[in-house]
Amino acid sequence: EAQVTQNPRYLITVTGKKLTVTCSQNMNHEYMSWYRQDPGLGLRQIYYSMNVEVTDKGDVPEGYKVSRKEKRNFPLILESPSPNQTSLYFCASSPLDSPADTQYFGPGTRLTVL
Amino acid sequence: RKEVEQDPGPFNVPEGATVAFNCTYSNSASQSFFWYRQDCRKEPKLLMSVYSSGNEDGRFTAQLNRASQYISLLIRDSKLSDSATYLCVVNVYSTLTFGKGTMLLVSP
Repeated sequence: EAQVTQNPRYLITVTGKKLTVTCSQNMNHEYMSWYRQDPGLGLRQIYYSMNVEVTDKGDVPEGYKVSRKEKRNFPLILESPSPNQTSLYFCASSPLDSPADTQYFGPGTRLTVL
Repeated sequence: RKEVEQDPGPFNVPEGATVAFNCTYSNSASQSFFWYRQDCRKEPKLLMSVYSSGNEDGRFTAQLNRASQYISLLIRDSKLSDSATYLCVVNVYSTLTFGKGTMLLVSP
């Protein structure tokens, strides 16, 4: 089954404790991205990657890092989480030749930073 | 500067009603347009692309007006299962910009 998986699905942590949210897709997609969704603000792109070792900032990259060492994985790293990073996070992937039309989203990770 | 604007709703309609959502976008370089559906606390899923000539998929009709930078979604014969938030999405050079969504509540 074609899918994007994220782990963990739920996480409660404390300020400053480094964490990684994993994202994996099994569709051989080149394009992957991370979004956060907050009430009243909608979905905002954090980082995206157009292929292995190619990453770029989205609209709200501050406080986040990503890496793309393999095509299928695109982890999101919070080196020193802060309460304003409490949010619902979605990973997404799509083929490079149609990054918008066929974007598949993961199930989401609900992060709370105390 | 709000790039993609939608009425947040909620739109409360009875089953069987016809309902229309509108969306405006500010970037004239926008290349392609979509409607996504998002159920509460779930991931967004593509509902339909929006083409310049307008397009229909069953009970759903999407329209695009590039001159006015305006997109619409019409849902006919609403079902209870249509209750969700509908996100207007605009693609500019492979970057998707999402509207904040319009909530639809269909009641029996």
